[in-house]
Amino acid sequence: EPEVTQTPSHQVTQMGQEVILRCVPISNHLYFYWYRQILGQKVEFLVSFYNNEISEKSEIFDDQFSVERPDGSNFTLKIRSTKLEDSAMYFCASGDTTEAFFGQGTRLTVV
Amino acid sequence: AQTVTQSQPEMSVQEAETVTLSCTYDTSESNYYLFWYKQPPSRQMILVIRQEAYKQQNATENRFSVNFQKAAKSFSLKISDSQLGDTAMYFCAFMMGNFGNEKLTFGTGTRLTIIP
Repeated sequence: EPEVTQTPSHQVTQMGQEVILRCVPISNHLYFYWYRQILGQKVEFLVSFYNNEISEKSEIFDDQFSVERPDGSNFTLKIRSTKLEDSAMYFCASGDTTEAFFGQGTRLTVV
Repeated sequence: AQTVTQSQPEMSVQEAETVTLSCTYDTSESNYYLFWYKQPPSRQMILVIRQEAYKQQNATENRFSVNFQKAAKSFSLKISDSQLGDTAMYFCAFMMGNFGNEKLTFGTGTRLTIIP
């Protein structure tokens, strides 16, 4: 069964450093998303991406965040200068016109 | 803006019993989708069941079924013959409009524990 794959599963970074979270969506999907879940809280939408551009972004997705799909398969989320409050589980999802599938998540810890 | 409310932070039930998780939502839209996602301790998000708002028939997936009350904006999940593997966080989620390019809005979750 096809699945969304995220790497790494856990990343620890120092405050102020740049991180790139990687996702390989399901191959025939057209819609891509990043969500965030701070420990013990609900899952929050960050950004959606379609046709090589951002469709929608939340207020959380400020200038420190960017997304791209550099090679037609990977879908990345970059945080330019991490803050302590960026520590969270980050989920990538991809979808067709019927449902969205989530990856297993990347746990980001900023120290 | 759409909101999703789950009023039961935690629930527990004996194995093999039936449990119902509550969810209400608020929207002015008529075309939308509702979902229940399961998040086990591994923290992966797993789709349990989906309901299209235009369908009057309640969705069913094996031991999982929903009670969709559109007028009341209520979308509860019933788990029958509960199993130890059902222990997880359960999130209700809403998606507006035509599926494909819309975000999911999640509730705060219900932590369900199945007791042996």
